[in-house]
Amino acid sequence: EIVLTQSPGTLSLSPGERATLSCRASQTVNSDYLAWYQQRPGQAPRLLIYGTASRATGIPDRFSGSGSGTDFTLTISGLEPEDFALYYCQQYGNSPLWTFGQGTKVEVK
Amino acid sequence: QVQLQESGPALIRPSEILSLTCSVSGDSISPYYWSWIRQSPGKGLEWIGYTYASGHTNSNPSLKSRVTMSLDASANQLSLRLTSVTAADTAVYFCAREGRGGGFFDFWGQGALVTVSS
Repeated sequence: EIVLTQSPGTLSLSPGERATLSCRASQTVNSDYLAWYQQRPGQAPRLLIYGTASRATGIPDRFSGSGSGTDFTLTISGLEPEDFALYYCQQYGNSPLWTFGQGTKVEVK
Repeated sequence: QVQLQESGPALIRPSEILSLTCSVSGDSISPYYWSWIRQSPGKGLEWIGYTYASGHTNSNPSLKSRVTMSLDASANQLSLRLTSVTAADTAVYFCAREGRGGGFFDFWGQGALVTVSS
């Protein structure tokens, strides 16, 4: 099983600032099959990024993904009020078990 | 726009069977893989398994012995059964569609909270 470790646990920033979220895998994620989700309170997760760097439909270009192998990053360039939420990474390159990270909370400083 | 809606009992007793249905609207379920995912405070997001119209399924090894998933293409629904539940199975259960290429989830239901308690 691939374990995904996200850091930091909580990121305290102000609107307009840049957020950098990390996701580290315990072993190589095949084909860089890594996705990112945003979850607001009481809602289901929403797909932001898949395949490490491809934005999902309707996702603003302030969200970007990068990385390869075991180290991946989600960057939000210029936080909007609606971006303060929980963020999860997920790997789907290593069948038969898709796994999620434990999450990073982006909160208002 | 694809919409998913989970339904089923909100409270079940230990050792009983958890049974949930996910109704899909806005697209046919046949061309896609569909997954069940749960979220509990103690374990975060946990992938339960996926199913496909052909009957092909795959599930989390930790739950495999207790999980049954199926699709009903005529009703555009999928279902989940989890046997021998304990308090550790208390969670919000989501159904989700896997995007083209598979493995990531592009549409989610709102989730159904299932509590296991006597």
